[in-house]
Amino acid sequence: AQSVTQLDSHVSVSEGTPVLLRCNYSSSYSPSLFWYVQHPNKGLQLLLKYTSAATLVKGINGFEAEFKKSETSFHLTKPSAHMSDAAEYFCVVSSGTYKYIFGTGTRLKVLA
Amino acid sequence: ETGVTQTPRHLVMGMTNKKSLKCEQHLGHNAMYWYKQSAKKPLELMFVYSLEERVENNSVPSRFSPECPNSSHLFLHLHTLQPEDSALYLCASSPGLAGTDYNEQFFGPGTRLTVL
Repeated sequence: AQSVTQLDSHVSVSEGTPVLLRCNYSSSYSPSLFWYVQHPNKGLQLLLKYTSAATLVKGINGFEAEFKKSETSFHLTKPSAHMSDAAEYFCVVSSGTYKYIFGTGTRLKVLA
Repeated sequence: ETGVTQTPRHLVMGMTNKKSLKCEQHLGHNAMYWYKQSAKKPLELMFVYSLEERVENNSVPSRFSPECPNSSHLFLHLHTLQPEDSALYLCASSPGLAGTDYNEQFFGPGTRLTVL
């Protein structure tokens, strides 16, 4: 069975400092992994995806994530937080053509 | 218009009303999804359609009735809802091609539903 765990429900960082949002997954085979961002009262926007190519994946808005099979992790990072990064972030594992397992989300707060 | 669109963006209805949510995707995708997002709860998958055929139905109450007349349009018909059905309803689409890697979902902006 597939599962995904976002280890922090809330993360606060100061503007200009690094961001780390943690995600661990469980999968019986090589998964597809995604990070989405959701701003208040908006739909989910794809930040980046891992699909068994390069293990370091670069996304939009300066975000990147590294797939680590040995640690079953897919953490999202950004070197320098911006106020506009304040949002909720979802880690997702795909277990097949139609099956997407969503994490419970991490709410990122950016302090001025 | 591009991407995934949803109408209306906001809906307030009484428990005895009948209303419908509409979703349209302009991406040429084969699969479409309805999700429910409630405050402080994980995203809940409600229905999945592939090429107009329902392939997933996650124990959703019968007061929610989906319809997929073609691969570009998806409806969610609502009747005799309860206040606990108030939530953000998100539509998504994906290529839906078996065996491909790039099956990310594209989401619409959602319909904020309030049931009085």
